Amino acid sequence: AQKITQTQPGMFVQEKEAVTLDCTYDTSDPSYGLFWYKQPSSGEMIFLIYQGSYDQQNATEGRYSLNFQKARKSANLVISASQLGDSAMYFCAMRERGKSGYSTLTFGKGTMLLVSP
Amino acid sequence: EAGVAQSPRYKIIEKRQSVAFWCNPISGHATLYWYQQILGQGPKLLIQFQNNGVVDDSQLPKDRFSAERLKGVDSTLKIQPAKLEDSAVYLCASSLAGNWADTQYFGPGTRLTVL
Repeated sequence: AQKITQTQPGMFVQEKEAVTLDCTYDTSDPSYGLFWYKQPSSGEMIFLIYQGSYDQQNATEGRYSLNFQKARKSANLVISASQLGDSAMYFCAMRERGKSGYSTLTFGKGTMLLVSP
Repeated sequence: EAGVAQSPRYKIIEKRQSVAFWCNPISGHATLYWYQQILGQGPKLLIQFQNNGVVDDSQLPKDRFSAERLKGVDSTLKIQPAKLEDSAVYLCASSLAGNWADTQYFGPGTRLTVL
């Protein structure tokens, strides 16, 4: 079974509107971290936001917020007031604590976001 | 603060040739990672170093790929000999420690094309 599922291959949004990018995950480990990264066409992976499994509140970083629903195992990224520069590939990723404390960061297949004027 | 540095940014080689990539992590970061990202997919971990020791290299094709981090700072990843399926972006990342809650910061990547 896939650990990270991003069901939206592509999303379109108009400038200044909000958009939600979906991410569901699969784990039986109670300790895990969820990450969102942005990858523009230049190729660099840019860290956006982090949510820990024990965090009580949803994470926020500027225009980015994470809608964390633990029981549903979903960690959707919400981008408010979209800008043209937000056009990029977005990856959801998870890292479980595991037995040793060192485990692999597993990525989803990504969602391509296009922001139109 | 300087980010993760990688070179070269682009490399084109013919199959069966060898190639090497270099990475310098963020200062003070003990953990360094090499990822392979094939077009249309998310990155896949090849190897993880904690200081200059290997923590995880289970996904590294050891018959052709090798990596080292001799002084616990910068690292090189080598492919010898290269195959067509090695065409990908090779990303280096670093984190302060190596635990599950640690954020990994990525470099700009090296885009490898094998002809």
